[in-house]
Amino acid sequence: VIWMTQSPSLLSASTGDRVTISCRMSQGISSYLAWYQQKPGKAPELLIYAASTLQSGVPSRFSGSGSGTDFTLTISCLQSEDFATYYCQQYYSFPWTFGQGTKVEIK
Amino acid sequence: EVQLVESGGGLVKPGGSLRLSCAASGFTFSSYSMNWVRQAPGKGLEWVSSISSSSSYIYYADSVKGRFTISRDNAKNSLYLQMNSLRAEDTAVYYCASEIAARTGDYWGQGTLVTVSS
Repeated sequence: VIWMTQSPSLLSASTGDRVTISCRMSQGISSYLAWYQQKPGKAPELLIYAASTLQSGVPSRFSGSGSGTDFTLTISCLQSEDFATYYCQQYYSFPWTFGQGTKVEIK
Repeated sequence: EVQLVESGGGLVKPGGSLRLSCAASGFTFSSYSMNWVRQAPGKGLEWVSSISSSSSYIYYADSVKGRFTISRDNAKNSLYLQMNSLRAEDTAVYYCASEIAARTGDYWGQGTLVTVSS
């Protein structure tokens, strides 16, 4: 099983801020890493896959980087609709595993 | 437009069974792998099971192996999850997710709630 450590678990920020969320793997996963956004009561939405590929329709203020064991999600200019919980997920091998989540809240 | 609609959730007693369905539309269902992911109330996401396009490859989380069975009917554009010997810890919203553009869950349904309680 590939374990992942996502940090921070809670991030307080203001509209317009640049924020970063990290995900560290227990072993290398090449670039088989995805990032999801989830709002309360809604299904997760894929933001980024293959570590840095933006899913169709996702704003360009979202970006992903990293490979191997260390990955980062960056939101360049936080908008009001970006306050949500974010999860990383590895799909290098089964079982797929998710990070614990990062809640981005209004400061 | 890709649409995934889950159904079949509800309240069931411990040890009981339930069958979830996911109706797919807006893409060539038979060409893509599909997945079930669940989320317990107030908790994070947990992958449950995956099935390849032709059902040749099937994978389960250890937590459900031997109790849950994933299947699909490509003629009906439908994905299923047969859940037996249900436990309280299986209580969750169950989502189906496709793998169309990405090799992971790229489109998700709205979820169906399964509650296991006496």
